[in-house]
Amino acid sequence: QKEVEQNSGPLSVPEGAIASLNCTYSDRGSQSFFWYRQYSGKSPELIMFIYSNGDKEDGRFTAQLNKASQYVSLLIRDSQPSDSATYLCAPSGSARQLTFGSGTQLTVLP
Amino acid sequence: GAGVSQSPRYKVAKRGQDVALRCDPISGHVSLFWYQQALGQGPEFLTYFQNEAQLDKSGLPSDRFFAERPEGSVSTLKIQRTQQEDSAVYLCASRAAGPYQPQHFGDGTRLSIL
Repeated sequence: QKEVEQNSGPLSVPEGAIASLNCTYSDRGSQSFFWYRQYSGKSPELIMFIYSNGDKEDGRFTAQLNKASQYVSLLIRDSQPSDSATYLCAPSGSARQLTFGSGTQLTVLP
Repeated sequence: GAGVSQSPRYKVAKRGQDVALRCDPISGHVSLFWYQQALGQGPEFLTYFQNEAQLDKSGLPSDRFFAERPEGSVSTLKIQRTQQEDSAVYLCASRAAGPYQPQHFGDGTRLSIL
């Protein structure tokens, strides 16, 4: 089992819809969880982080964390074509480095 | 302020050559990380520095890979006797001290070994 599992996609949603991205992790020691967005040929860009169970909202983005189920998700409301990118889930566990999933490729269709 | 700066952006080398990749972290960030990213994959951890101390090098794939950060600021990742499987994007990230601080990434160096 990989440490961080994400559906690789591609995930396609129409413009204006809600995009739902999911991530499961195996390290129960993980304390904080980061979502990065990576455009093709660019570096990962932090868009959300969460460290408490429940929901955290920031603009069109909502992160949801369930530590008991070892599950974290990212919802993007009112999806825009500019949201088309690969989304990387990265728990920060007992080690200081991030362990990334392979990413979910999202395409928002105009 | 300035972000993480990496150079060169692109590097092409022949198999067997040595290469050096540079990372200039955000000023004041004590932690510095190197990652390797293959096409279609997430970044894979290589090594971690806290100031000038290399605290974790468990991700370095072989003894051909060497990293240093002698003054606790700029870091260099060196790959000796490059192989084709070393072709990847090498990402550097830095992080401020304190809990729950995120890592900020540079634009990476795309390394191609011919």
